[in-house]
Amino acid sequence: NAGVTQTPKFQVLKTGQSMTLQCAQDMNHEYMSWYRQDPGMGLRLIHYSVGAGITDQGEVPNGYNVSRSTTEDFPLRLLSAAPSQTSVYFCASSYTPSGSSYNEQFFGPGTRLTVL
Amino acid sequence: GENVEQHPSTLSVQEGDSAVIKCTYSDSASNYFPWYKQELGKRPQLIIDIRSNVGEKKDQRIAVTLNKTAKHFSLHITETQPEDSAVYFCAASPYNNNDMRFGAGTRLTVKP
Repeated sequence: NAGVTQTPKFQVLKTGQSMTLQCAQDMNHEYMSWYRQDPGMGLRLIHYSVGAGITDQGEVPNGYNVSRSTTEDFPLRLLSAAPSQTSVYFCASSYTPSGSSYNEQFFGPGTRLTVL
Repeated sequence: GENVEQHPSTLSVQEGDSAVIKCTYSDSASNYFPWYKQELGKRPQLIIDIRSNVGEKKDQRIAVTLNKTAKHFSLHITETQPEDSAVYFCAASPYNNNDMRFGAGTRLTVKP
């Protein structure tokens, strides 16, 4: 299994440009999430999904859109990039181990985004 | 929403000493508390977690304790080694961890 994959690894945008960060997982996990990581602030949840066709907002959703048309893919869209969106973005997927009622998360390698 | 505070922000210890990182949370509905280790330029990786129905969990040199009444949990690393140097994050979430909140992180340095 490739686990959780993200593309691109690095991206530079100009203010106002749009782009999509890709995330895919091949573990058949129901749950997927997007986080951003800024220095000194840990990881903050942007959006998450509990299954195909279902998404919800996290802690910092403004400026980002998501969709979940398949179990495998969970793209994150920036409609009009702003310098405040300069960050490292991590996608994660999670599952519930047999006999457990809690999910365990696996993170992708991250995308480093710079908005000029 | 949930608010997780983590202390200290930096921690430096000598090899072989113990390291303790503490976190507090605000939402009594939280019942899953994972700890992640993140090396420079890498993704966070789960190292240990604890559920609200237990007070302590140990895995070799790593242990986590939870006090639900006081809403705090701690990570204990014994016999530290240079390869333990990394940033450690605590987190808290309710059932199914769909809304997981992270602490700001602790940069641990283990000096040889």
